[in-house]
Amino acid sequence: DTGVSQNPRHKITKRGQNVTFRCDPISEHNRLYWYRQTLGQGPEFLTYFQNEAQLEKSRLLSDRFSAERPKGSFSTLEIQRTEQGDSAMYLCASSLAREGEQYFGPGTRLTVT
Amino acid sequence: GESVGLHLPTLSVQEGDNSIINCAYSNSASDYFIWYKQESGKGPQFIIDIRSNMDKRQGQRVTVLLNKTVKHLSLQIAATQPGDSAVYFCAERVPGYQKVTFGTGTKLQVIP
Repeated sequence: DTGVSQNPRHKITKRGQNVTFRCDPISEHNRLYWYRQTLGQGPEFLTYFQNEAQLEKSRLLSDRFSAERPKGSFSTLEIQRTEQGDSAMYLCASSLAREGEQYFGPGTRLTVT
Repeated sequence: GESVGLHLPTLSVQEGDNSIINCAYSNSASDYFIWYKQESGKGPQFIIDIRSNMDKRQGQRVTVLLNKTVKHLSLQIAATQPGDSAVYFCAERVPGYQKVTFGTGTKLQVIP
């Protein structure tokens, strides 16, 4: 399977704990995106990388959230001191060019108890 | 499994009929529009896109219409099949940015 992969698929954590998610984009794609989706809503943009550079960040990405793409390949999204409101599906997508379609991964479902 | 379509507007269509899903987009500055299909438990899947210098674009069994005057986008699916059952989202992008803003989804139910 050469699509976008995300790990883990599900994460249950207690409030206050830190969590980290990983996204592996399609290998030749230099652009990578993170979104958050809650039940019944469309995905909300969080951040965008071109290669290793983080070029866009949403105001939704509070100081508890940090994303990295150190070598321009895989990316990690870390949430510190999780809150119940962080419970959502976290989606990663990648694309080849600025005008290219974004290919989404299956997401990581986070539940904060 | 979880339902992506919880509390979303629902369109029910008989198998074989044509479906039309409508979307009102929010930003008159947007110049690129995309339709996505999302099945339960999966990420969104690209269907078709259109740029603001066009008013119609056709793909395989799908057509997107863009009316910039009233900021309206529609997706037409010909000969709807059970496999088309999913939640459909329109999305828009403003020039100079990669951020894609998704609209409110519509759940399409195909009746066999």
